[in-house]
Amino acid sequence: QVQLQESGPGLVKPSEALSLTCTVSGDSITRYSWGWVRQPAGKGLEWIGNVFVTANSEFSAPFKSRVTMSVDQSKNQFSLTLKSVTAADTAVYFCAVWIGSHWFDYWGPGILVTVAS
Amino acid sequence: QAVVTQEPSLTVSPGGTVTLTCGSSTGPVTTTNYPYWFQQKPGQAPTTLIYDTDHKHSWTPARFSGSLLGGKGVLTLAGARPEDEADYYCLLSYSGVVVFGGGTKLTVL
Repeated sequence: QVQLQESGPGLVKPSEALSLTCTVSGDSITRYSWGWVRQPAGKGLEWIGNVFVTANSEFSAPFKSRVTMSVDQSKNQFSLTLKSVTAADTAVYFCAVWIGSHWFDYWGPGILVTVAS
Repeated sequence: QAVVTQEPSLTVSPGGTVTLTCGSSTGPVTTTNYPYWFQQKPGQAPTTLIYDTDHKHSWTPARFSGSLLGGKGVLTLAGARPEDEADYYCLLSYSGVVVFGGGTKLTVL
């Protein structure tokens, strides 16, 4: 079964970029569509964006102007970059993958990113 | 952006049945919103229980089911167990744009 693991800095300074990587094991990322979801402490889930196996993508409106998502097939990884972060971007960030038309089958355990100086 | 609404909290007795609902600010929830339901326990990632209104994953306990009723997506838990105490989130798709509901905290007591 496919397994996911998020990685990246746990602390990012305001106005800088947050960059996270999701490493896929147990299968090839080329078979999957993937996405990112975040969750501020004590709050609900917030969708950031999806990239489909067709290479099409969809992003949540609040993030469109400052988010980049990319895949590195050679490393079986995909990534999220969020520019110009503020304290409001402090959250646990989850990566997820799926095959076919139904989303978010498999999730990583999440990584806490704190935005603070 | 659409707003997806859920009950903030519900309580069910062990062995009892409870329904969680998922509404949309844009109108009735339909199959074209592909309602999803996720379970999240403290400190854990969400787990997908239901997708596309009423489809279950291989890991979804049989006591959970999804449907549409009264213009809302519905998650029904029949025969609640203590381990079902968790946060439950619905997700709706608006032509590929995903919106999560605010979540329902389910207490089994």
